[in-house]
Amino acid sequence: SQQGEEDPQALSIQEGENATMNCSYKTSINNLQWYRQNSGRGLVHLILIRSNEREKHSGRLRVTLDTSKKSSSLLITASRAADTASYFCATDASRGSTLGRLYFGRGTQLTVWP
Amino acid sequence: DAGVTQSPTHLIKTRGQQVTLRCSPKSGHDTVSWYQQALGQGPQFIFQYYEEEERQRGNFPDRFSGHQFPNYSSELNVNALLLGDSALYLCASSTTRTMNTEAFFGQGTRLTVV
Repeated sequence: SQQGEEDPQALSIQEGENATMNCSYKTSINNLQWYRQNSGRGLVHLILIRSNEREKHSGRLRVTLDTSKKSSSLLITASRAADTASYFCATDASRGSTLGRLYFGRGTQLTVWP
Repeated sequence: DAGVTQSPTHLIKTRGQQVTLRCSPKSGHDTVSWYQQALGQGPQFIFQYYEEEERQRGNFPDRFSGHQFPNYSSELNVNALLLGDSALYLCASSTTRTMNTEAFFGQGTRLTVV
């Protein structure tokens, strides 16, 4: 399977702490995308990192990608209660006619306590 | 600029019935992909439409079909509904003319089959 797998399954922290979530995958990819989902609603796109990139930042988010280990991490700094959500990584291993198909893991449920 | 819009938001159907879900992609996007997300799971790819044709398909039975219109909007149809079809159905909008572009999701349609 090409699915990404997030680790840990659940993470509980206090406001102000940093949250780190990891994602592992099995095949070579074009890019990896991180999403947030609140209470079973739609997915909010957070960041895309291409296979030739090693690190990207967006606000309080930092994403790293290690293609040799087939893994990625999402760091949320100075977390807030509003960051409470499920976080998913999605891999795009598109080749030719399969362009744009994403493979998701089961996600990490992050709870940030006030 | 409107994002990805899906309708309806919620739907309750009886086993054996048929359902149609609708999606309007983000402006400038030409590709629509549909995903099914069961409770506690990550989204699973159903199929993708590009240039009004089904370009690729996941591991879903023929009861799942779709359509894309000239304005790039799309429909997902499910026939002979089963209890197991109860899930959140997500539409993803992207452009696949080039690689490594973000996929944006709508808020989803929550389908309950009773």
